[in-house]
Amino acid sequence: QSALTQPPSASGSPGQSVTISCTGTSSDVGGYNYVSWYQQHPGKAPKLMIYEVSKRPSGVPDRFSGSKSGNTASLTVSGLQAEDEADYYCSSYGGYNTVVFGGGTKLTVL
Amino acid sequence: EVQLVESGGGLVQPGRSLRLSCAASGFTFDDYAMHWVRQTPGKGLEWVSGISWNSGSIGYADSVKGRFTISRDNAKKSLYLQMNSLRAEDTALYYCAKGYCSSISCTGHDNWGQGTLVTVSS
Repeated sequence: QSALTQPPSASGSPGQSVTISCTGTSSDVGGYNYVSWYQQHPGKAPKLMIYEVSKRPSGVPDRFSGSKSGNTASLTVSGLQAEDEADYYCSSYGGYNTVVFGGGTKLTVL
Repeated sequence: EVQLVESGGGLVQPGRSLRLSCAASGFTFDDYAMHWVRQTPGKGLEWVSGISWNSGSIGYADSVKGRFTISRDNAKKSLYLQMNSLRAEDTALYYCAKGYCSSISCTGHDNWGQGTLVTVSS
């Protein structure tokens, strides 16, 4: 149960696109299509943004998209807005009834 | 409206026990898996434990296996976490989170409580 690897920080200007990576192994990210992404603003509970690699829950803007290639999943935020500035976490099913999170990425909107 | 309300946190000495509860409302509780996720102040999220809709599948993080026990009472729409042999490194904000399906495997916690703070210190 090793944590998934995310870059500690990412940034972009309003209107630009930014992609955050999430690297695991064939035992988690690469082995299942159960990758999720969460947005967390300071002092708030996490919010589900993407599930099953690329599906968006109702109410999540289509500016947020997810994908996966091999053992690496990615979250892309297009048309960056000031309110997108937050921490983002990925998670994956890890087999044997376990779940693993990434270390988190702080997204800064310049 | 889905609501998850955690309780039971507090200050506890190392080696002692604590039981967290999560009261659920606004959805059909016994249709969904439930999870506990914790977050150390200023740090990242760590999955602690999950339980399927009928308690038939249960999982734990290696860091708590053998010390923590998750359970649920579908009649009471409640989730629990019994935490024994607590350590300083268990200090965190503990969130109750709802899965989006009945199995632990379909990770994707679509609703979260506000958390209950557990502090392990002498």
